[in-house]
Amino acid sequence: DSGVTQTPKHLITATGQRVTLRCSPRSGDLSVYWYQQSLDQGLQFLIQYYNGEERAKGNILERFSAQQFPDLHSELNLSSLELGDSALYFCASSEHGHSNQPQHFGDGTRLSIL
Amino acid sequence: DQQVKQNSPSLSVQEGRISILNCDYTNSMFDYFLWYKKYPAEGPTFLISISSIKDKNEDGRFTVFLNKSAKHLSLHIVPSQPGDSAVYFCAAPFATGNQFYFGTGTSLTVIP
Repeated sequence: DSGVTQTPKHLITATGQRVTLRCSPRSGDLSVYWYQQSLDQGLQFLIQYYNGEERAKGNILERFSAQQFPDLHSELNLSSLELGDSALYFCASSEHGHSNQPQHFGDGTRLSIL
Repeated sequence: DQQVKQNSPSLSVQEGRISILNCDYTNSMFDYFLWYKKYPAEGPTFLISISSIKDKNEDGRFTVFLNKSAKHLSLHIVPSQPGDSAVYFCAAPFATGNQFYFGTGTSLTVIP
């Protein structure tokens, strides 16, 4: 158990809809990361937050947004969903968000767009 | 662009033998590398890392080798055990801009 909690585990919705994925980091970790894993792809880095502030941005679409709240949990919002957004979305956390710190991953949210 | 590449999607090894998983990278600015292990229906878990100032790091049965001139790293598992059957990802953080790059993974099967 990594200590990182992601909800929901599975989400099925339709094109054009909007969903929110939630992540609670490991106790004591200040930084949260979001990744997307599509079929047969590696993990694509989306965005990183540290103590409520955006720290780094990867290949995140404009239709996607995220935030980290004062209690350090994070939400990833996906809107105007397309079939290609079907993927596993992972959240990870680390203590200080330094690039050489291992990240602790949740078990992911599987998003299926019908 | 795929800055971290794992060209072998799968690998099968007999129990007790050595497993060698390979990873290539394109950006010479990478200065830290990590290996993660992933079981089905779970998130990746950190396995071992190496700084670019070293060429080898060992932790029990796991050893990572780094060849900077070839932009290549490898993970050796000796001896391989059935419980090692998982997908292994190599990863490299890029400190400038804090980007994080992962390979596509190699699925290791250790045959009892």
